[in-house]
Amino acid sequence: QQQVKQSPQSLIVQKGGISIINCAYENTAFDYFPWYQQFPGKGPALLIAIRPDVSEKKEGRFTISFNKSAKQFSLHIMDSQPGDSATYFCAADSTGTASKLTFGTGTRLQVTL
Amino acid sequence: KAGVTQTPRYLIKTRGQQVTLSCSPISGHRSVSWYQQTPGQGLQFLFEYFSETQRNKGNFPGRFSGRQFSNSRSEMNVSTLELGDSALYLCASSFTGYETQYFGPGTRLLVL
Repeated sequence: QQQVKQSPQSLIVQKGGISIINCAYENTAFDYFPWYQQFPGKGPALLIAIRPDVSEKKEGRFTISFNKSAKQFSLHIMDSQPGDSATYFCAADSTGTASKLTFGTGTRLQVTL
Repeated sequence: KAGVTQTPRYLIKTRGQQVTLSCSPISGHRSVSWYQQTPGQGLQFLFEYFSETQRNKGNFPGRFSGRQFSNSRSEMNVSTLELGDSALYLCASSFTGYETQYFGPGTRLLVL
């Protein structure tokens, strides 16, 4: 079964702290790994994505770390802000596409003052 | 540039009825994917259309179907609705299906 396992289910971080969300996958055919952010009442919005030819990608305060041998990838949010409070989903796709995503179960992040 | 739009935003139906949801992709995007989001099952891929052809299909029963028109607009149909079909149905588009997908706000369907 093509699963993506995500943890933790929920996370509380103080303002200015680092939020870390982890995902693990089984299907070695996966070759595209995006992270999406979703606010209540909205559709998911892409934060950052990585392909397995690199081990890390950084965009602003968001970093993806990718470990191909362990089949794991993670999202790090540096200097977390209250506005980052949302649900975060990791996802994966295969055969070069990005249009038939398998999603993780989501992490509800709360950033406190 | 306008984003992905979905209509209607909210819908209430009763068991046994059928429903059609509409999605207008970002201008120039030819790939449209549909996803179902529920608290229990999370986000699940339904199907993807590209150039009016279903290119990929998820693991949903045949009651779920879709189509795409020549202007890339897409519709999703669910026949013989069940209580478990209550969900947020999300549409996402991209140029060819090999780049970032952009999601619409979704249609929230409640089946009574």
